[in-house]
Amino acid sequence: GEDVEQSLFLSVREGDSSVINCTYTDSSSTYLYWYKQEPGAGLQLLTYIFSNMDMKQDQRLTVLLNKKDKHLSLRIADTQTGDSAIYFCAERPNSNYQLIWGAGTKLIIKP
Amino acid sequence: GAGVSQTPSNKVTEKGKYVELRCDPISGHTALYWYRQSLGQGPEFLIYFQGTGAADDSGLPNDRFFAVRPEGSVSTLKIQRTERGDSAVYLCASSPQNSGANVLTFGAGSRLTVL
Repeated sequence: GEDVEQSLFLSVREGDSSVINCTYTDSSSTYLYWYKQEPGAGLQLLTYIFSNMDMKQDQRLTVLLNKKDKHLSLRIADTQTGDSAIYFCAERPNSNYQLIWGAGTKLIIKP
Repeated sequence: GAGVSQTPSNKVTEKGKYVELRCDPISGHTALYWYRQSLGQGPEFLIYFQGTGAADDSGLPNDRFFAVRPEGSVSTLKIQRTERGDSAVYLCASSPQNSGANVLTFGAGSRLTVL
C-alpha cells in the first residue's frame, strides 16, 4: 500500500545543516513535495521535485531523490531559528491528484 | 483573495451537534481540496472539487460528512451529529488546475473540538 515515512524529530545546532529524510513506497509517484508547517499557520510549500530529477537546489534548500531506494531528503543549509517547524514529505502517485503525506518531522534548533 | 481563507479558525461544539466549516479559495483556482489533520499526523484526504462538482469524495469517512461548492469558488464542509473522534484541524487547499506539479496553497485550517 501507499505509505510515507519520516522521523518524528530532528535536533540541530543553529548554523549547521539539517537533513530531513523521507521514504515512500509508490514507485509510480510523479512529484514529491516538501511542505513546512509553523504553529498556527497553514502548510507552506517549500519545494518539489519531478521524479525524473535526482537533485534540485533552491537557495538554502537542496532536495535529493533516490528513486531506486524510494528515498527523498531535504537539506537546509545554515539552519536558522526561523526554520523551526514541522516538515512534511508528500508524494503524488501517477495519474492521481491526491497527495500521500508523511507524519512530519519536527525540526528543533539548538542555540 | 490573496490566500486561502478558512472560517472559523476555531470551533468548539458538543457531541451530536451540526457544524459547518467554510473555505474561500484563491480567486480563479478551479481545484479545491479538503484534508483533515489529527495531532502528530500528516493531512488525510477527504474530498476534491474540480469546479462545482465533487470529483472524488472517497476520503469522506462516513455519511455524516458532506461538502458543497455550489458556484465553483467558496466551499462548505458540513458535519452532522458530530462525534469526539471528529476533533481535528480541517484544512482546505486550492490550486489553479489539476495538472503538472499541482501545487496546493493551504489555508490556516479550522480547528474543530467536539466535547
